[in-house]
Amino acid sequence: DTGVSQNPRHKITKRGQNVTFRCDPISEHNRLYWYRQTLGQGPEFLTYFQNEAQLEKSRLLSDRFSAERPKGSFSTLEIQRTEQGDSAMYLCASTGVAYEQYFGPGTRLTVT
Amino acid sequence: DQQVKQNSPSLSVQEGRISILNCDYTNSMFDYFLWYKKYPAEGPTFLISISSIKDKNEDGRFTVFLNKSAKHLSLHIVPSQPGDSAVYFCAASSSNTGKLIFGQGTTLQVKP
Repeated sequence: DTGVSQNPRHKITKRGQNVTFRCDPISEHNRLYWYRQTLGQGPEFLTYFQNEAQLEKSRLLSDRFSAERPKGSFSTLEIQRTEQGDSAMYLCASTGVAYEQYFGPGTRLTVT
Repeated sequence: DQQVKQNSPSLSVQEGRISILNCDYTNSMFDYFLWYKKYPAEGPTFLISISSIKDKNEDGRFTVFLNKSAKHLSLHIVPSQPGDSAVYFCAASSSNTGKLIFGQGTTLQVKP
């Protein structure tokens, strides 16, 4: 198993454009989490899935953000009409029956 | 409302000595605590965890102590090595959702 993967690793976009990130979790893990990290802060929870069901969304996840996990495997996070304040590292993590979450390398988003 | 706090932004120790990183939390519903290590431009790497039913967990050079009455946990690294230099995050979760609430991180520098 190669662990959690995320694509792309880096994304530079202009304000107002839409972006989509992908996360492939560890294959047997049924829970998948998205977090956002800005400079000097710890990761902040955005949303999570148990299989294909999205069970919780943070108030940080505005209407411009949407996440899916259509077949209970990979997940996508889309940001519409990006703003400069969306610039951050977007992290994905997965877990199985244990509580330990295993993180991917993250996608660094820069909105210009 | 910062539910998990790491009050020391940085810590510097000599190689071979003990490193002690501290973390405080406010939410009594947290029942699982974790420590992660993070290098720049990478996702957090899981180090060690502890359930609220225990007060100590040890894994090699890493030991986590939990004081529930004080709502305080600490990570001890003995002996410290230069490769331990990184940002360390503590995180807390409650078993119903498993989402992690992170502290702001402590940058550890281990000097040769």
